[in-house]
Amino acid sequence: DQQVKQNSPSLSVQEGRISILNCDYTNSMFDYFLWYKKYPAEGPTFLISISSIKDKNEDGRFTVFLNKSAKHLSLHIVPSQPGDSAVYFCAARSPYGQNFVFGPGTRLSVLP
Amino acid sequence: NAGVTQTPKFRVLKTGQSMTLLCAQDMNHEYMYWYRQDPGMGLRLIHYSVGEGTTAKGEVPDGYNVSRLKKQNFLLGLESAAPSQTSVYFCASSYGFGTDTQYFGPGTRLTVL
Repeated sequence: DQQVKQNSPSLSVQEGRISILNCDYTNSMFDYFLWYKKYPAEGPTFLISISSIKDKNEDGRFTVFLNKSAKHLSLHIVPSQPGDSAVYFCAARSPYGQNFVFGPGTRLSVLP
Repeated sequence: NAGVTQTPKFRVLKTGQSMTLLCAQDMNHEYMYWYRQDPGMGLRLIHYSVGEGTTAKGEVPDGYNVSRLKKQNFLLGLESAAPSQTSVYFCASSYGFGTDTQYFGPGTRLTVL
């Protein structure tokens, strides 16, 4: 049973529009969340994070929102650019194990 | 500054063969990790190390062994490969544990026939 779910395997967005990637988790004890971006034939690279004591974190075009009551977080990319086309992984940290649980990823395609 | 490198990039094994995957980092990070990624699943932690000479089990450690004899290197071994170990393997490192950013290598694609 996956503790971190990304129910949309893929998403296509027009350049300049907003991309919204969603992530749901089941364990209410998760206290820190990250998004990683992965290009083909490369390893994942860190994008943005959020602690459970916050509900929003912003970094340039990227904003992550956390809704603890719904156990849901989302990544907003505004405006979307073709270079944002990649697979995006959501990850959550358990305060006990200090390790991260990753979602299966969402492939974002930004169309010119 | 190469970051995290992995050797080899691709490998095909027959069932029962053994091999070692090498991960090297030049960022002087204390913590190193081995993950596997399978289709439709997120990265799953195999083993990790909190410093030179230390190793610990992650979520899916069975069938793998690791060693961290030098701070910059983290080796992942498969003693008797099985088709279920066909996967893409990623190594990562971080300065600290917990919330510190993990830096990933490019991955090793392993196929076990």
